[in-house]
Amino acid sequence: GESVGLHLPTLSVQEGDNSIINCAYSNSASDYFIWYKQESGKGPQFIIDIRSNMDKRQGQRVTVLLNKTVKHLSLQIAATQPGDSAVYFCAARKAAGNKLTFGGGTRVLVKP
Amino acid sequence: AAGVIQSPRHLIKEKRETATLKCYPIPRHDTVYWYQQGPGQDPQFLISFYEKMQSDKGSIPDRFSAQQFSDYHSELNMSSLELGDSALYFCASSRGQTNQPQHFGDGTRLSIL
Repeated sequence: GESVGLHLPTLSVQEGDNSIINCAYSNSASDYFIWYKQESGKGPQFIIDIRSNMDKRQGQRVTVLLNKTVKHLSLQIAATQPGDSAVYFCAARKAAGNKLTFGGGTRVLVKP
Repeated sequence: AAGVIQSPRHLIKEKRETATLKCYPIPRHDTVYWYQQGPGQDPQFLISFYEKMQSDKGSIPDRFSAQQFSDYHSELNMSSLELGDSALYFCASSRGQTNQPQHFGDGTRLSIL
């Protein structure tokens, strides 16, 4: 099966600093990974995704890195802002399926 | 941009009652997914539909059923409700199934008394 986990339950970061959220997955058959941001009372909001044939993908202020050798991915948020405060989930999908397996969320707290 | 619409947003039921949750996907999205999220937990996959056919099944209790209609909206039917069914229920949609991001609605909060 698939298990996906995050390394830290809470990340406290100073406004303006960069944030790095880590995630490990267990199933080497996973071929698609996605990061979500969830604010209180809302559904997970898509941030960025990456396919297993890529090592890195960049979006607006965010970068996802994928290391298939050690089954690890990370989300980097540049110049963290108060609006970035939320719970962040990584999720993985196994090839030939379409369900997402979510990892335990990391709560990011941005200090002014 | 249009998002996934779920209704109702909040629902209160008693044990052994039934509930129906509705999901309207983003226009032109043909795949819908249902997830359950308990307090402080990760979303757990329940079931998905592609072009009105069930495409994948997760940890969905036998008391629950779902379907996707010709207009691509989906309904999750829940019977013999139990206290443990209290949770947030999210619907997500995507265009196609392969390597397309799933976009989530804001969920239905179901409380069982």
